[in-house]
Amino acid sequence: KQEVTQIPAALSVPEGENLVLNCSFTDSAIYNLQWFRQDPGKGLTSLLLIQSSQREQTSGRLNASLDKSSGRSTLYIAASQPGDSATYLCAVRLYPGTASKLTFGTGTRLQVTL
Amino acid sequence: EAGVTQFPSHSVIEKGQTVTLRCDPISGHDNLYWYRRVMGKEIKFLLHFVKESKQDESGMPNNRFLAERTGGTYSTLKVQPAELEDSGVYFCASSFSRDRGRKTEAFFGQGTRLTVV
Repeated sequence: KQEVTQIPAALSVPEGENLVLNCSFTDSAIYNLQWFRQDPGKGLTSLLLIQSSQREQTSGRLNASLDKSSGRSTLYIAASQPGDSATYLCAVRLYPGTASKLTFGTGTRLQVTL
Repeated sequence: EAGVTQFPSHSVIEKGQTVTLRCDPISGHDNLYWYRRVMGKEIKFLLHFVKESKQDESGMPNNRFLAERTGGTYSTLKVQPAELEDSGVYFCASSFSRDRGRKTEAFFGQGTRLTVV
């Protein structure tokens, strides 16, 4: 059974700092991994999707890496801003093709302070 | 392009009552998923439709939950009768059916917060 763990559960950093969020999964036979952010009372916004054959994906100040063999992914946020405050979730998908279900971690709640 | 929309955004019902949640996926998305997050826990999969057919309903907690997707468009999730432990946020997601790399990316709605009292 796939289990996804995110560390830390909560993080507070001052504006401008670079930070890393961690995600680990127990079954390395994943098809892809997706990072989301969730703002309070809102839905999930997809940030980055990494296929199992890829090592990293970048979008603006965000960089996600994937080490499938060790069951780890990291989300790097550069030059953090107060608007980055949200809960960040990683989720893995086991099967290709018709897009199987996602298995989620419990998330990291990030607060970026002024 | 409209995203995934869910109705209602909030619902407060008494134990034993019935509630129906609705999800309108992104137009053209054959895959539709329901997920749920209960307090303090991770988001968990409930079921997956491909068009109007149930592809995987292994996450449905019990027979008080009934999901339908008539005509392969919008979907409803009915809870009857509702229990206290059903409280949580119910998310719907949709995606294309073909494996085209990023096209399998799931897009989520804003969720329905259900409170059973």
